[in-house]
Amino acid sequence: DSGVTQTPKHLITATGQRVTLRCSPRSGDLSVYWYQQSLDQGLQFLIQYYNGEERAKGNILERFSAQQFPDLHSELNLSSLELGDSALYFCASSARRDRDYEQYFGPGTRLTVT
Amino acid sequence: AQKITQTQPGMFVQEKEAVTLDCTYDTSDQSYGLFWYKQPSSGEMIFLIYQGSYDEQNATEGRYSLNFQKARKSANLVISASQLGDSAMYFCAMREGYWTGNQFYFGTGTSLTVIP
Repeated sequence: DSGVTQTPKHLITATGQRVTLRCSPRSGDLSVYWYQQSLDQGLQFLIQYYNGEERAKGNILERFSAQQFPDLHSELNLSSLELGDSALYFCASSARRDRDYEQYFGPGTRLTVT
Repeated sequence: AQKITQTQPGMFVQEKEAVTLDCTYDTSDQSYGLFWYKQPSSGEMIFLIYQGSYDEQNATEGRYSLNFQKARKSANLVISASQLGDSAMYFCAMREGYWTGNQFYFGTGTSLTVIP
């Protein structure tokens, strides 16, 4: 168990809908990362937050948005969903002072868009 | 051009033998970080090892070591004394501009099968 939790584990929704994925980092970790893994695109980095602020942005679509709250949990919002958004969405956390590159991943949320 | 290239879609290794998984990268930055991750069939992602571009020594984490050849822009993962539990997908990744503040680039992965 990495200590990172993600909910829900599975999500099935229809095209055009909006969903919210939630991530709780390990206790004390300030950074949260979001990744998308799909058969078409492989693994892609979406976005990183550090202590509530956006730190880095990757291949995140405009239909997607994220935020990190004061209690450090993070949410990834996906709107106007398309079939191609079906993927496994991971979050990870890091930022122990001496090994701040070491990321701990949650189990992922499997999103299926029908 | 691809930022990260993993040329071995699949690899086999005998249990207890060592295996090298190849990774080459493309960047013009002087500061960058290189990562390896493991993804077993159960789907979770596991961080294995990290190498900073300014680190003079190759990174090691238990049975994992990273063979970093800066001039050749390669960051191969070496797994010593393979175990059945090492069977998984392995992804190489890079972050330009040191470890934070920039996006990650991932390779397409190498599927490793350890044979008893």
